[in-house]
Amino acid sequence: DIQMTQSPSSLSASVGDRVTITCRASQSIRNYLNWYQQKPGKAPKLLIYAASSLQSGVASRFSGSGSGTDFTLTISSLQPEDFATYFCQQAYSTPHTFGQGTKVEIK
Amino acid sequence: QVQLQESGPGLVKPSETLSLTCSVSGGSISRYYWSWIRQPPGKGLEWIGFIYYSGSTNYNPSLKSRVTISVDTSKNQFSLNLSSVTAADTAVYYCAKVSSGYWPLDNWGQGTLVTVSS
Repeated sequence: DIQMTQSPSSLSASVGDRVTITCRASQSIRNYLNWYQQKPGKAPKLLIYAASSLQSGVASRFSGSGSGTDFTLTISSLQPEDFATYFCQQAYSTPHTFGQGTKVEIK
Repeated sequence: QVQLQESGPGLVKPSETLSLTCSVSGGSISRYYWSWIRQPPGKGLEWIGFIYYSGSTNYNPSLKSRVTISVDTSKNQFSLNLSSVTAADTAVYYCAKVSSGYWPLDNWGQGTLVTVSS
């Protein structure tokens, strides 16, 4: 299985901050990398697919980059509704494994 | 966009079989792949597997000996069976639609908590 490692596991940030979350794959996954946002008690929501493509309806302050083994999710200006947990997922080979999550909390 | 809704028992006894159904509305199941994912309380996401409307499947090897995903196109539903459950199978179970190309999970059900306990 391909292992996905996110860092940090959690972070504290203020409204308006630029936030970057990193996801590293244990082997190359080309750009088969998706990002999700999950709020407490809710299902995950797709933000980014194919490493850098913004899902329809998602705010443009979210962006993704990377290829191969190293990927980043950036929130350009953190908004109150962005406090949540973020997961990456590789879809290069089955099983389509997830990272352990990064919890973004209010500072 | 399609809507998905999980249904099934919220409590299953150890060693029994967990059975859930995902009902798809607002679109035909006879396109795309359809997936099951689970999340133990307070933990991360685990990919269980997916099924194509034709019936072809792909399962997580860690669960492969116990899991079956099936589809009923006449009812626009797909289902999950997980046999010989233990407390470790207690989780919120989500069904989701898999979009084409890079396999993102672009539509999710609300999730249903299944507790394994006697």
